[in-house]
Amino acid sequence: AQKVTQAQTEISVVEKEDVTLDCVYETRDTTYYLFWYKQPPSGELVFLIRRNSFDEQNEISGRYSWNFQKSTSSFNFTITASQVVDSAVYFCALSGLEEMDSNYQLIWGAGTKLIIKP
Amino acid sequence: IAGITQAPTSQILAAGRRMTLRCTQDMRHNAMYWYRQDLGLGLRLIHYSNTAGTTGKGEVPDGYSVSRANTDDFPLTLASAVPSQTSVYFCASSGDSGFGYTFGSGTRLTVV
Repeated sequence: AQKVTQAQTEISVVEKEDVTLDCVYETRDTTYYLFWYKQPPSGELVFLIRRNSFDEQNEISGRYSWNFQKSTSSFNFTITASQVVDSAVYFCALSGLEEMDSNYQLIWGAGTKLIIKP
Repeated sequence: IAGITQAPTSQILAAGRRMTLRCTQDMRHNAMYWYRQDLGLGLRLIHYSNTAGTTGKGEVPDGYSVSRANTDDFPLTLASAVPSQTSVYFCASSGDSGFGYTFGSGTRLTVV
């Protein structure tokens, strides 16, 4: 069965600190996609990144970076020099092609609430 | 319309009443979904539709029904609302498993 685990329920750091949000996944699929979404206090769900299972290169986008390691089934998200505006709930999600009877569904982690204190 | 439109934005509903939450997308995405989000429980899938004319049950389907008469619309109906259905409801769509979801802005429903 497919599963996504975000073990950190809540993280609180002081502004300008670096912070890493952990995501561990389980799947028997050989082809799959991993995602991160952000949900700020305003409530909308914002797509951040998609990574397919054949691309293990780390990705950097400004202060955001993602570390995908198939060997440990992890897709961790790091925010460098955090800012108050980064405060949000962050969700990790998985989409596999073979295991699901629907090839469009995402399996969601429970989310990590990130609090950035000024 | 750009993306997904949900209506209403919020609603207070008396228990026992029938309510339909509307969801419309203009991206011609095949798949659509309804989630509910409750504090501390993340996103839970209610129903989904892989393509027009088909629907399926998600993790928490009881008390809800959906229809998918065409590609663009995916309404969610509460036949007889109960207080436990108080939640924020998100509609989402996907054109392909590799592209993830586009979400609507949510409907905040309070059943009293």
